[in-house]
Amino acid sequence: QKEVEQNSGPLSVPEGAIASLNCTYSDRGSQSFFWYRQYSGKSPELIMFIYSNGDKEDGRFTAQLNKASQYVSLLIRDSQPSDSATYLCAVVGRNMLTFGGGTRLMVKP
Amino acid sequence: GAVVSQHPSWVICKSGTSVKIECRSLDFQATTMFWYRQFPKQSLMLMATSNEGSKATYEQGVEKDKFLINHASLTLSTLTVTSAHPEDSSFYICSASTGLVAGLGQETQYFGPGTRLLVL
Repeated sequence: QKEVEQNSGPLSVPEGAIASLNCTYSDRGSQSFFWYRQYSGKSPELIMFIYSNGDKEDGRFTAQLNKASQYVSLLIRDSQPSDSATYLCAVVGRNMLTFGGGTRLMVKP
Repeated sequence: GAVVSQHPSWVICKSGTSVKIECRSLDFQATTMFWYRQFPKQSLMLMATSNEGSKATYEQGVEKDKFLINHASLTLSTLTVTSAHPEDSSFYICSASTGLVAGLGQETQYFGPGTRLLVL
């Protein structure tokens, strides 16, 4: 079992819809969780991080963390074609940041 | 804040030459820097972790004599691909950790823009 798992996609949503990206992790002791966005041919950029159970909102982005179920998700409201990218979930456990394989999101106009 | 630069952004070289890539944290001191490699349509692969003033820790399967890492200061780490071969062609990305963030107690990694290496 991979330490951080994501559905590779592609996840296709129409413009204006809510995109929901999910991530599960295996290390129950993980404390910090990050979402990065990576456009094709570019390096990842940090979108947001979360470390407390519940929701954290930043603009159109909402990160949700459920440590009991060991999953973290990212919701993107009012999806735009410019949101089309690969979204990487990353988890800090044992002092290491471990990345999932990423989910490719396609927002269709 | 938290800007990381990499230089060069593109390298094309002949097989057998060595290539040095620089990674700098511009507006913060990075206690730890990381080097990743990413092949087309694949996920990030951590190559090594480096702390300032000490030897880098390499991931399993990464040859430390092939990929030399020097972390000379809190703002600069270099990766040298020695005797590069076509199979070393990849997208090399560094990231720098801010360390514990005051008030948050959590580390955050910020990525450089990456260096695309093509070995002919």
